[in-house]
Amino acid sequence: DIQMTQSPSSLSASVGDRVTITCRASQDIRKYVNWYQQKPGKAPKLLISHSSELETGVPSRFIGSGSGTDFTFTITSLQPEDVATYYCLQYEDSVPLTFGGGTKVELK
Amino acid sequence: QVQLVQSGGGVVQPGGSLRLSCEASGFLFSSHGMHWVRQAPGKGLEWVAFIRFDESDHFYADSVKGRFTISRDNSKNTLHLDMNSLRPEDTAVYYCAKDWARLSYVDYWGQGSLVTVSS
Repeated sequence: DIQMTQSPSSLSASVGDRVTITCRASQDIRKYVNWYQQKPGKAPKLLISHSSELETGVPSRFIGSGSGTDFTFTITSLQPEDVATYYCLQYEDSVPLTFGGGTKVELK
Repeated sequence: QVQLVQSGGGVVQPGGSLRLSCEASGFLFSSHGMHWVRQAPGKGLEWVAFIRFDESDHFYADSVKGRFTISRDNSKNTLHLDMNSLRPEDTAVYYCAKDWARLSYVDYWGQGSLVTVSS
C-alpha cells in the first residue's frame, strides 16, 4: 500500500498568514493527489484534485502543487473560516485509497 | 446537486451486526463506483470498501475483509454496508462516498453515520 506522510499534524497561525502543509508519498504517484477540508462534525470536502486543480467554487487562496512523491498545500492568506483539518489523499492506487494523517489548522 | 443521504448506525455489542445505507441523488448512480470511508473518534480518515459501478467487483481494507460486505442496488440508487462480527475498534463515523469516475477518488461524501461497538 502507498503511505502518505503529512506534516505538520497541527499548526496555529494568524488571520492573513500563509499556511503550508506537505504530504510525502512512499512511492512515485505522479500527480494523483487530492486535498480535502474537514470542519468539526462535518464530512470532508474536496478542495483540490490532481495535485493542483481547484474545485469549482473553492476560493483561489487555496493552492496545491507537486508531483512524484512530494506535494504541497498552501493557504495564501488564512481566513477565520479556514479553521479545519486538512487531509491529502493518494489515488495512484485507488485500492486502497490512502489518506495522510491530517493537519489541524487553528487560529493564533 | 449531488446528495448522499445515509441511514443506519447506532450502538451494537461486540460480535454484533449492523447495516448502513446510503441513498444517492443528483448524479447517474449506476455509472459511478462507490466507497465507504470511516473515521474513528478523534482520528483520521480510513478507506473501508469500494464497489464498482456495475457490482462486478468489490474491494476491502484488510481490517474489515471477511466481516464487512459492500453492495448496491442501482434500481434504487442505494449503497449498503453490512457489518458483521463487529469489534470495538470498528467504532467510527462511516461515510458513504461517491467516486469521481469508475475507480478513482472520492469527490462527494454523505453526512456520516456513527457506529459504536460497546458492551
